[in-house]
Amino acid sequence: EAQVTQNPRYLITVTGKKLTVTCSQNMNHEYMSWYRQDPGLGLRQIYYSMNVEVTDKGDVPEGYKVSRKEKRNFPLILESPSPNQTSLYFCASTLSGPNNSPLHFGNGTRLTVT
Amino acid sequence: SQQGEEDPQALSIQEGENATMNCSYKTSINNLQWYRQNSGRGLVHLILIRSNEREKHSGRLRVTLDTSKKSSSLLITASRAADTASYFCAAGGTSYGKLTFGQGTILTVHP
Repeated sequence: EAQVTQNPRYLITVTGKKLTVTCSQNMNHEYMSWYRQDPGLGLRQIYYSMNVEVTDKGDVPEGYKVSRKEKRNFPLILESPSPNQTSLYFCASTLSGPNNSPLHFGNGTRLTVT
Repeated sequence: SQQGEEDPQALSIQEGENATMNCSYKTSINNLQWYRQNSGRGLVHLILIRSNEREKHSGRLRVTLDTSKKSSSLLITASRAADTASYFCAAGGTSYGKLTFGQGTILTVHP
């Protein structure tokens, strides 16, 4: 089944403890992206990647890192999480970029930083 | 900054009625997309309309795009209780790779 898989679904952590949220897609998509969703703010783009080893900042990249060493995986790294990064995170992918084709979303990761 | 802004923020209708949601954006776009989200789940793509298109249909969905007004609307006809969800527009700008979402419209369809 074609899908975007995020793990974990739920994560509670403490301020400053490094964490990684994984994202994997099995559709051979070139483009992958991370969003965070907060009440009243919609989805805001954190980082995106147009291909292996090619990443770029979205609208809210501060406090996050990403890597794209393989086409299928696009992990989101929080080196030193803070409470303002408590949010619902979504990974998404598409074949060649959002200008040409729709995004496929994962089911989300709900992160709480205390 | 948010490219898309949606109106209304919430909409409550009866089954069988039509639901119209509006989206405005600020800068030039390549395309405008609409997504649906059920209660904290991942978003599901509904329809993509390109900047050179004015109207597009998919089943009970009708999307219009007015680039002169920088606005789009999503019409759901003959709504069903199962249409209850949040609906988001997303503007694909001329900057490749960026897709900016609006704040969403919460639609409630009462049986």
